[in-house]
Formats: sequence, structure tokens, C-alpha cells
Amino acid sequence: GNSVTQMEGPVTLSEEAFLTINCTYTATGYPSLFWYVQYPGEGLQLLLKATKADDKGSNKGFEATYRKETTSFHLEKGSVQVSDSAVYFCALSDLTNAGKSTFGDGTTLTVKP
Amino acid sequence: NAGVTQTPKFRVLKTGQSMTLLCAQDMNHEYMYWYRQDPGMGLRLIHYSVGEGTTAKGEVPDGYNVSRLKKQNFLLGLESAAPSQTSVYFCASTPGTLRNIQYFGAGTRLSVL
Repeated sequence: GNSVTQMEGPVTLSEEAFLTINCTYTATGYPSLFWYVQYPGEGLQLLLKATKADDKGSNKGFEATYRKETTSFHLEKGSVQVSDSAVYFCALSDLTNAGKSTFGDGTTLTVKP
Repeated sequence: NAGVTQTPKFRVLKTGQSMTLLCAQDMNHEYMYWYRQDPGMGLRLIHYSVGEGTTAKGEVPDGYNVSRLKKQNFLLGLESAAPSQTSVYFCASTPGTLRNIQYFGAGTRLSVL
């Protein structure tokens, strides 16, 4: 079956530091890949997505590239801000699986001023 | 611009009591899902629905029942609450198209004493 493994947290960075959160996946088909973000007390919301190999998703300074050869979708940001403090979830979705998504366990990011 | 709305936001139950969580979406989405989120365990799928009048079991369905009588509503029921069901519950919906982006509600925090 499908699975998503992401970097364990928590991750603590200083403001303006570089961020990488690793995500690797296992899937039988050709999934779409997503990063969701969850701010305290809220539900998950889409941060970025990629639907095929070599696609790069980007939003709010965050980027991730769909790497089929390494089955990875690592999240990066060049300069984090305090407002980026949240929990980040990597996920995949397979059209053949009733539209269900498989989520990683989440990585908590704290950015200190 | 409501999106996915969950009610109630908070609830405290005693062991053995019953309750229903309501999820409503105004985006005409076909697919809807109920998840629970527990510390260190990510999101786990409880039940899901691929259309009005249909439901299916997810990863952790025991102790829960669901109904989808109307396309826009997806109800999650706990017939006899147990302390192990203390969790944050999230509802999500997706149009079921290629993108398969999931849209989440803000969550229901449930404590069972």
C-alpha cells in the first residue's frame, strides 16, 4: 500500500535560517504529492502540490520538487519567519484509491526571533 | 466562502454517552472524510464517503458510525464514547478530480472522561 515517511521533529530554527523537511513516499501508481500546513488550533490547509515527476510546487516562499527516481518530495524555504511556525504534513493521493490521501506523521516547526 | 464547517468545536463527554459530529461543505464535493488526529500519530482515516448515500470504512472505524444522507453533509457518530476516543476530529472533502486536494474543517476537540 501507499505510505509517507517524513522527517521527525520537532525542528527549531532561528529567523532567516534555511529550512528543509524531508519526505519520502511509497506508492504503487503515479500519485500526486502535497504539503499541507496546520497552524495552532486550525485544520490543515494546502501549502503546495505537484502532480507529476519533476514538477515543482511553490507557495509563500516554500518549494518542493517531485522526484520520482528518489521517491521524494522535500520541503524547502530559504529564509523562515516566525509566522512559519506550524506543523507540516507531507501527503500523497492516488486517483485509484477513492481519492484518499495518505499523510505523514507531521513535523513541528518552531521559528525563534 | 464557508468551505468545510464542523460543529461543535469542543465537547466533553462522559464514558458511555453518545454524540454526533456534523460536517458540512458548500463546495459541491463528491468525496468526504473523517479523520482523527492524536499526538505523534498523524492523521488516521476513520470513515469516508464517495458520494451521497455511500460510506466506507477507513483505517480505524471501530466505535464510530457515519451517514451521508445529503451530499453536503457527513455525520460522525459515537454510540458509546470511550476515553480512547479523546482526540481532535477533522472532516475533509475533495472534488475527486485529478488534483485531489483535500479541504479541511477547523476540527472538533473531544474529551471523553
